Parts: sequence; C-alpha cells; structure tokens
Amino acid sequence: DGGITQSPKYLFRKEGQNVTLSCEQNLNHDAMYWYRQDPGQGLRLIYYSQIVNDFQKGDIAEGYSVSREKKESFPLTVTSAQKNPTAFYLCASSPGIGFGYTFGSGTRLTVV
Amino acid sequence: DQQVKQNSPSLSVQEGRISILNCDYTNSMFDYFLWYKKYPAEGPTFLISISSIKDKNEDGRFTVFLNKSAKHLSLHIVPSQPGDSAVYFCAASASGGSYIPTFGRGTSLIVHP
Repeated sequence: DGGITQSPKYLFRKEGQNVTLSCEQNLNHDAMYWYRQDPGQGLRLIYYSQIVNDFQKGDIAEGYSVSREKKESFPLTVTSAQKNPTAFYLCASSPGIGFGYTFGSGTRLTVV
Repeated sequence: DQQVKQNSPSLSVQEGRISILNCDYTNSMFDYFLWYKKYPAEGPTFLISISSIKDKNEDGRFTVFLNKSAKHLSLHIVPSQPGDSAVYFCAASASGGSYIPTFGRGTSLIVHP
C-alpha cells in the first residue's frame, strides 16, 4: 500500500540535543512538507521541498533543518536552537505543490 | 496575521443533528478551499474541497458552502455521527490550489450520542 510513514510516533529528548524525525513516502510524490501543530495553533509550515536537493523555508523555519537527498525521504532535524521544540510534527507529501496532500500520522516530540 | 480564521475552537452537537463549522479568510487571492479532518495522534485526512467558481459542493453527509463576497465558507455535516468527533481544519490556497494552502487553527467537534 502506498503511504507516508513517520517514525517514531513518540520521541523524548533532553534539552540541548539535536533530534531527527523521519519521513518516508512511497507515493512517488514530488513535493514534501513539514508542519508543526501546537494546541490552538493549527498547522504551521516549517519547510517544504518541491524536488530532490531543493527545499524552501516555511513560516517557522528557525531552529530546524531539512534535507532532500532522495525523492522518498524528507527528514527534519530539530536543533538545540529551536526555543520551544515540544510539539506534534506532521509530514505531508503531494504530487505537486499544493494539490492532493497526504499526511503522515505524526511524531510527538517531547523535550525535557 | 491570520489569513484563515476558524473562530470557534470547539463545537458540541447531538447525534443526528446538523454540525456547522465556519471559516473566514482575508486574502482575496484565495480561490480554492479545503477541509481536513484530524483524529488525535493522527495526521489530517482530506474531507472535501471547493473552488471559487462554485458556491456549493456536496459529498454524502458533507457539504461545503462558499460565500465569496463575505469571504466565508462553512462545512455542514448532516446528520452528525459520534465518529465525526474530530478536529476540522479549514485551508485556503491560491491559483486554483497550486499554492501551498494556509491552514486555520481548527475547530474541535464533539458529537454526543
């Protein structure tokens, strides 16, 4: 079955440590995205990528980094520079920019 | 500045009744609108969309209405079922949906048996 997989579902890290969230899709989608969800804040765009080896900052990119070395994979690193990293992170993909989003099931990151 | 606003954080409805979820937008360039449904600890799933050339789109129990002059859209669920209990996100895009959508903050719908 085609889909988008985020792992792990729950992640705990100590303050000051970098952590990488995985996102893999086998939908052959060109575009991939990372969103952050906080209570009462909706979905805020962190980074997106339209093609391999290219990515763009979203609305809240500070303290995050991404890579897109393969079409299927778009990992997100939450760095120690991110002031408030505890949140629910969602990865999505679409055939082209904007259309036909498929979301992963999310990763709950807790920094203690 | 929020370009897509869902002013009701939560809505409680009795099973069998109509649920009406509202969404307002400020950007006149938006011409494609989507509703997503999200259960806790899961990713959102696409529910229904509408283009600005229409004022209504229906899919089973779900109908979306668009009032372009008021920059307002609403999602009607009739009849509401307990399984509809979820967070509903309104999203808006430009250029026929080819731009990355902007999401509202969501409305949590609770349908009581």
